[in-house]
Amino acid sequence: GNSVTQMEGPVTLSEEAFLTINCTYTATGYPSLFWYVQYPGEGLQLLLKATKADDKGSNKGFEATYRKETTSFHLEKGSVQVSDSAVYFCALSGSGGSYIPTFGRGTSLIVHP
Amino acid sequence: GAVVSQHPSRVICKSGTSVKIECRSLDFQATTMFWYRQFPKQSLMLMATSNEGSKATYEQGVEKDKFLINHASLTLSTLTVTSAHPEDSSFYICSARSRGAGANEQYFGPGTRLTVT
Repeated sequence: GNSVTQMEGPVTLSEEAFLTINCTYTATGYPSLFWYVQYPGEGLQLLLKATKADDKGSNKGFEATYRKETTSFHLEKGSVQVSDSAVYFCALSGSGGSYIPTFGRGTSLIVHP
Repeated sequence: GAVVSQHPSRVICKSGTSVKIECRSLDFQATTMFWYRQFPKQSLMLMATSNEGSKATYEQGVEKDKFLINHASLTLSTLTVTSAHPEDSSFYICSARSRGAGANEQYFGPGTRLTVT
């Protein structure tokens, strides 16, 4: 079956530090890949997505590249802010004809001033 | 565009009562809606998938008589937690997939915090 593996958190950084949150996946076919962000007490917001190999999704300074050869979709940001503190979920869908998403367990990011 | 709302955002109810949560797609038609449950510091657990006009498909281990799902229109799905107990306290999130969605994308509601006392 499909699965998404994220690095365990929390990830704690100082403001302006470089961020990487690793995500790898197992799936059949060619799924679409997503990063969602969840701020405390809120639902999920789509942060970025990529629909095919070598696509790069980007939004609000965050980037992730769909790497089929390593089955990865790592999230990066060059300079984090305190306001980026949240939980980040990697997800896939569209594998094997199913659009039901598979989520990773989430990685908490804490950014200190 | 692609906004999904949930109501209420928070609800506190007594044990044994029923609670209804609404999920609406505000600016698109949602052929499919999903209901998730999220425990503190954990990922989302898919409870059920509902298609407009048909019965919901429940995930294994989810009691369909306890979590009643109705998807009466292309913009509204409801989740009713019947005879709620404290162990039903959780964060419930819905999402919607639009008609003709090309990128397997879903749009999430802001969630409903249910507390059963």
